[in-house]
Amino acid sequence: EAQVTQNPRYLITVTGKKLTVTCSQNMNHEYMSWYRQDPGLGLRQIYYSMNVEVTDKGDVPEGYKVSRKEKRNFPLILESPSPNQTSLYFCASSSLQETQYFGPGTRLLVL
Amino acid sequence: EDQVTQSPEALRLQEGESSSLNCSYTVSGLRGLFWYRQDPGKGPEFLFTLYSAGEEKEKERLKATLTKKESFLHITAPKPEDSATYLCAVQAGKAAGNKLTFGGGTRVLVKP
Repeated sequence: EAQVTQNPRYLITVTGKKLTVTCSQNMNHEYMSWYRQDPGLGLRQIYYSMNVEVTDKGDVPEGYKVSRKEKRNFPLILESPSPNQTSLYFCASSSLQETQYFGPGTRLLVL
Repeated sequence: EDQVTQSPEALRLQEGESSSLNCSYTVSGLRGLFWYRQDPGKGPEFLFTLYSAGEEKEKERLKATLTKKESFLHITAPKPEDSATYLCAVQAGKAAGNKLTFGGGTRVLVKP
């Protein structure tokens, strides 16, 4: 089954404790992206990747890092999480210039 | 700056009561307009892509239309299972990569 998977689905952590949210797709898509969703602000792009070793900032990249060492994986790294990064995170993938398909989401709470 | 505005924010319908959702946009060269459905606690699920004014697409009780300034999602004779948040997004011609700019969504509740 074609899908985008994210882990973990739920995470509670404390300020400053480094964490990684994984994203994997099995559709051989070149393009992958991370979004966060907050009430009243909608979905906003954090980072995206056009292909392996090619990443770039989206609209709200502060406090986040990403890497794209393999085509199927695109982890989101929070080096020093803060409470304002409490949010619902979605990974998405697509072929270039095609429809993006979203993962199930990761709900993060930073205390 | 690309902008997407959806209205209304929320919509309560009786089962069978047809209605329309609006998505107005300003974008520098539209590459595509996308409609997604999102259920609580889940990721957006793709519904339609529209590329040019005058285009229409249908899927079951849903029909999406596009003009040069807005898109409508028509829900015909809705059922309770159509209850969800409907998201509209645009992809600009000059946007880096495949970036989507989303609207705030319309929460639809269909009562039996």
